Amino acid sequence: GQSLEQPSEVTAVEGAIVQINCTYQTSGFYGLSWYQQHDGGAPTFLSYNALDGLEETGRFSSFLSRSDSYGYLLLQELQMKDSASYFCAGPYNFNKFYFGSGTKLNVKP
Amino acid sequence: SQTIHQWPATLVQPVGSPLSLECTVEGTSNPNLYWYRQAAGRGLQLLFYSVGIGQISSEVPQNLSASRPQDRQFILSSKKLLLSDSSFYLCAWRRGPSGAEAFFGQGTRLTVV
Repeated sequence: GQSLEQPSEVTAVEGAIVQINCTYQTSGFYGLSWYQQHDGGAPTFLSYNALDGLEETGRFSSFLSRSDSYGYLLLQELQMKDSASYFCAGPYNFNKFYFGSGTKLNVKP
Repeated sequence: SQTIHQWPATLVQPVGSPLSLECTVEGTSNPNLYWYRQAAGRGLQLLFYSVGIGQISSEVPQNLSASRPQDRQFILSSKKLLLSDSSFYLCAWRRGPSGAEAFFGQGTRLTVV
C-alpha cells in the first residue's frame, strides 16, 4: 500500500496548540483526510483537504501542500479529551483508502 | 441517514476454527466498502476493498478472504484462524471514489487462543 508517515507520539499541555505532520507518497494521491481515534474505539472523521491550503473546523484546522507532499493537523486550545490517536489518510487511485501510522497525542494538565 | 453495523464487538476463537465477520450499511447505495486490521498501538492496515457486488480487491496476502454478496453487505472470513489473526478488525464505507470521508463500524476485537 501507499505510505503516509507521521510522528509516533506528541505531548502537549492543556490550552496549548499542537501540530501533527503527515508526509505521503504522491503516486495516485487524491486528497488528505484526518481521523481521531480514542482507545478501543473506531476512527472518526475530522477534516479533508482536496486542494492546497488551510481548512478550519472549530478548534481543528488541516493544511495541505501538494507540491511538498505534506499536510498537517493543527489542534488549538487543547483539552484533556483531545488525548487520542490521530491518523492522516487518503484515497489513492480513487478507490483505495490508506491510513498513516498514527500519532498518539498526550494532553497533560 | 446512513449507518454501518459491524458484529460481533468481541470474539474469542480457537486456533484452526473458521471466522465470519459481517458488516452492513444502511441509508446509501453502491458504497465503497473496506476491511481494515489494526494491531495494538498501530495504524490501520487495509485488507480488502470492494466497489460493487462480487468485486473484491485484496491488498495483502494472508489467511483471510472477503465477500460482498449484496450491495450493502461485506463479510470477512477465514477457513482456519491463526494466532497471528488476533487483532482489531474494522469495516468502513465511503460514498464511492469521490467520497472524502470514511465511516467506520464499531470494530471487532478478535482474540485467537
